[in-house]
Amino acid sequence: DTGVSQDPRHKITKRGQNVTFRCDPISEHNRLYWYRQTLGQGPEFLTYFQNEAQLEKSRLLSDRFSAERPKGSFSTLEIQRTEQGDSAMYLCASSSIGTGGHQPQHFGDGTRLSIL
Amino acid sequence: AQSVTQLGSHVSVSEGALVLLRCNYSSSVPPYLFWYVQYPNKGLQLLLKYTSAATLVKGINGFEAEFKKSETSFHLTKPSAHMSDAAEYFCAVSGRISNQFYFGTGTSLTVIP
Repeated sequence: DTGVSQDPRHKITKRGQNVTFRCDPISEHNRLYWYRQTLGQGPEFLTYFQNEAQLEKSRLLSDRFSAERPKGSFSTLEIQRTEQGDSAMYLCASSSIGTGGHQPQHFGDGTRLSIL
Repeated sequence: AQSVTQLGSHVSVSEGALVLLRCNYSSSVPPYLFWYVQYPNKGLQLLLKYTSAATLVKGINGFEAEFKKSETSFHLTKPSAHMSDAAEYFCAVSGRISNQFYFGTGTSLTVIP
């Protein structure tokens, strides 16, 4: 179990640029989640995959955000035309399949995005 | 819909004192409940989870939590605080059908030497 890996750890970019983050989940985990966390807040759910299928998307996820998990393994989160309000920590988590939501999620260390 | 409320955004305790972090949940059905800890610039680490087995759940690092349905609470406790316990703690709830987790706003624990 090598844990959930996220890359890069930090990203600084100018407003209006596109950014892409990568998440490698724990290898045997079928489910993968993206969250956004701002200072002083808990993580907010963005989207969730089961294998390669994107099953849920939050209303927080504007059309500038897109996530993929093409082969059911790693996932990417892209933000187009970044805005100041996109500055946050983006967390990825993975879990195994179980009935309902009782399987705990295992988190990566996140990608901190700063928009200049 | 599920949600959790963490009472007290900041808690300070002396080293060796009891730690009590409060979490109340709102759910129309018996929920799954979790406590996570987050150190600066790190992801969240699972401390413990309640999945409707025993109401008193023991976790890592000496932490435990008790599910009280009558009070809709899932407070986190530790008998004796250690300096290394200083961190941000999040309570989370998940439903029996949805796979979404809903996190509280967190409680920052400070341990005073």
